[in-house]
Amino acid sequence: QQQVKQSPQSLIVQKGGISIINCAYENTAFDYFPWYQQFPGKGPALLIAIRPDVSEKKEGRFTISFNKSAKQFSLHIMDSQPGDSATYFCAAKAAGNKLTFGGGTRVLVKP
Amino acid sequence: GAVVSQHPSRVICKSGTSVKIECRSLDFQATTMFWYRQFPKQSLMLMATSNEGSKATYEQGVEKDKFLINHASLTLSTLTVTSAHPEDSSFYICSAPPSGPGGYTFGSGTRLTVV
Repeated sequence: QQQVKQSPQSLIVQKGGISIINCAYENTAFDYFPWYQQFPGKGPALLIAIRPDVSEKKEGRFTISFNKSAKQFSLHIMDSQPGDSATYFCAAKAAGNKLTFGGGTRVLVKP
Repeated sequence: GAVVSQHPSRVICKSGTSVKIECRSLDFQATTMFWYRQFPKQSLMLMATSNEGSKATYEQGVEKDKFLINHASLTLSTLTVTSAHPEDSSFYICSAPPSGPGGYTFGSGTRLTVV
């Protein structure tokens, strides 16, 4: 049972373009929604995170949009760069501090 | 910020042998450590949660006797893959929950190859 559904599985975007990744969840007990970036052979690194009382959060070129009623949240990467080519995971946390990860999105930014 | 040091980064072992993976919290005390397994091109799947001073909690379907987890101190958690088989080949990652305003801290991962 996948509690956090992520789409698309892969994404190709031109340099300077916008990458958009979407996630949907079912468990209304989730209270923390982070996004992670992972390069091959490395552990995930936190990009940006949001709590459900906020509808949008921006940090540099990365923005999270959060729709509590629809139980959806998304990551926007503005001005995408080749160095952004990586796999991105959304996640959600409920009680007990356990993170549930989405399936991942492989992003390729073409120069 | 908080750092979790994971070793080794890569290990190759023969079938039937055991391999130990260590995760150390360098500048904070981690009473809890999460252990994940990640197969190629797949997401992270939680295997177990280690707690300092008590038994680890395993997720459904994870063999307790095969994946031994020990949380020896507030700065060290270990995962031992016992009697390893080729199907255990995977990327293993540890993670500590936030100790402050920051997010979860992940180790750099261990690529285990069983031949």
